[in-house]
Amino acid sequence: QSALTQPRSVSGSPGQSVTIPCTGTSSDVGGYSHVSWYQQHQGKAPKLIIYDVIKRPSGVPDRFSGSKSGNTASLTISGLQAEDDSDYYCCSYAGSYTVIFGGGTKLTVL
Amino acid sequence: EVQLVDSGGSVVRPGGSLRLSCAASGFTFDDYAMSWVRQVPGKGLEWVSTINWNGGYTGYTDSVKGRFTISRDNAKNSLYLQMNSLRAEDTALYHCARIVGAPYGGACDIWGQGTMVTVSS
Repeated sequence: QSALTQPRSVSGSPGQSVTIPCTGTSSDVGGYSHVSWYQQHQGKAPKLIIYDVIKRPSGVPDRFSGSKSGNTASLTISGLQAEDDSDYYCCSYAGSYTVIFGGGTKLTVL
Repeated sequence: EVQLVDSGGSVVRPGGSLRLSCAASGFTFDDYAMSWVRQVPGKGLEWVSTINWNGGYTGYTDSVKGRFTISRDNAKNSLYLQMNSLRAEDTALYHCARIVGAPYGGACDIWGQGTMVTVSS
């Protein structure tokens, strides 16, 4: 059960778009449509922003979108805002009732 | 208000045991699968375990298999994590979380505030 691979950090200016990739294998990301994304601000509990690859929970702005191609899932944040400055984690079902997280990506809004 | 309240964390010696609890309120508890997720302060999230709505299906990360047991009492709206043979590497903040969508999918929409487990001699 190796962690999904995410870049340690990404950055963008207000108004720009950024994409955070999350790479797994055919046994997790590539094999199922159960990829989720979390936003976690310092000292706070994680917040679900995308699930089942593309679905947004109620209340999450449509600036956040998810996609998947092969073994790589991606989170795109458009129209970057200062409050998007946070840590982001991907998560995938990995079969046999197990789940695996990515290592996390620090997004800096410049 | 939909809420999860974690409790039971403590300082424990290596080899010791601990039972974490999670009290749910504001929603129909037995409509949802539940998970435990842990996080070493300053580090990333790690999935620990998931249980379906009636306890009929459970899953564990490899590092805790055979040592941790997840369970639930739907009559008490409560989730538990029995932790045995604790190791230093189990030290972390443990969150319970409600699963939305597929019960095994890992999408957690409601999180407890976390309870700290420290394994140290």
